[in-house]
Amino acid sequence: KNQVEQSPQSLIILEGKNCTLQCNYTVSPFSNLRWYKQDTGRGPVSLTIMTFSENTKSNGRYTATLDADTKQSSLHITASQLSDSASYICVVSQKVRKRFGAGTRLTVKP
Amino acid sequence: NAGVTQTPKFRVLKTGQSMTLLCAQDMNHEYMYWYRQDPGMGLRLIHYSVGEGTTAKGEVPDGYNVSRLKKQNFLLGLESAAPSQTSVYFCASSSRVQPQHFGDGTRLSIL
Repeated sequence: KNQVEQSPQSLIILEGKNCTLQCNYTVSPFSNLRWYKQDTGRGPVSLTIMTFSENTKSNGRYTATLDADTKQSSLHITASQLSDSASYICVVSQKVRKRFGAGTRLTVKP
Repeated sequence: NAGVTQTPKFRVLKTGQSMTLLCAQDMNHEYMYWYRQDPGMGLRLIHYSVGEGTTAKGEVPDGYNVSRLKKQNFLLGLESAAPSQTSVYFCASSSRVQPQHFGDGTRLSIL
């Protein structure tokens, strides 16, 4: 069983709408949690990073939250744009080792 | 500033053939990594390096070898390709505290 589970697997929304992606993990202990965006045919690009003591981090229209007690993180996208269509990957780090979720595939339609 | 460059971008091999994937970074990063990405699964670490001349095994090292003779380059080798190695391979580099920077991947098909 993957130690980092993301939901939903895929999501389709209309341009301008908001959405929230979920990441549940069992990795322990962990040093930080990152969200990456991966465009089709490209490598992942880091969006946000949170340490154990942080519970929210924003990057423009992207806001990540972390509840270290329940081991859950979410990525909220506000006022979606067509360019937000991509896979979003949750990564939990344990010092050198990193655990990758399988990602959520987001499609934003006009 | 190119970041992380992977070559080739695409390759088709026959079972049993060998090949080397090249990763080059121009950010003077100490750490470099090779991952594979398969449908429905998260990226899995094959091998990594914490500095020039050093390498270490990741989660799925079998069937692969690596070398880091120069700080900026990290090579991934397949000595005898198998269909199970059909995947998209990503190289990444990082410093101790910065996020990993990924290349755009090599799409490898083994027939």
